[in-house]
Amino acid sequence: KAGVTQTPRYLIKTRGQQVTLSCSPISGHRSVSWYQQTPGQGLQFLFEYFSETQRNKGNFPGRFSGRQFSNSRSEMNVSTLELGDSALYLCASSLGGPNEQFFGPGTRLTVL
Amino acid sequence: AQSVTQLDSQVPVFEEAPVELRCNYSSSVSVYLFWYVQYPNQGLQLLLKYLSGSTLVKGINGFEAEFNKSQTSFHLRKPSVHISDTAEYFCAVRYSGGSYIPTFGRGTSLIVHP
Repeated sequence: KAGVTQTPRYLIKTRGQQVTLSCSPISGHRSVSWYQQTPGQGLQFLFEYFSETQRNKGNFPGRFSGRQFSNSRSEMNVSTLELGDSALYLCASSLGGPNEQFFGPGTRLTVL
Repeated sequence: AQSVTQLDSQVPVFEEAPVELRCNYSSSVSVYLFWYVQYPNQGLQLLLKYLSGSTLVKGINGFEAEFNKSQTSFHLRKPSVHISDTAEYFCAVRYSGGSYIPTFGRGTSLIVHP
């Protein structure tokens, strides 16, 4: 079974631009969550989608948004990029409930 | 607010020595517990999990962890580490009756010296 895939793996943008990151979950997984990982803040939860609906949301500004498609693939968008948005963005898929999450390799975003 | 504390940010150890990485969580409600490992420039990989049953859980790569409800702890252990175990280790807790969104600890960097 293929794992969680994320594209692109690396991205360099400048302040003020916007970016879209993509995540393909494990086949059969309907829950997709996004995390931001930085050395200073650790792993921070962004949002979770389940069956195309945003089910949970973390404490991030409205510049961070996402969506999920009918095939469970998910995208995350960050508008008006700031230097502080530089981070590793991780996507994780799950069957839902208390089951474990399976993580993708992440997208390393650098904002200059 | 629920929290997960990994007491050591960094644990240096010599190869073939035993190691314990500590994890404590804040809530006394039913919990589901996980340990993940992250190698440089990679995502998190599940090492082991506790959902129910035996409190001693065995995982991949020779790791094991023990769920201690009274001490709200889930410490990770390995009797003999290898250089390749050098990585970042994260403890995570999912609380029942809620959204199941996991709370992660800040991570422990395990550094294995030859």
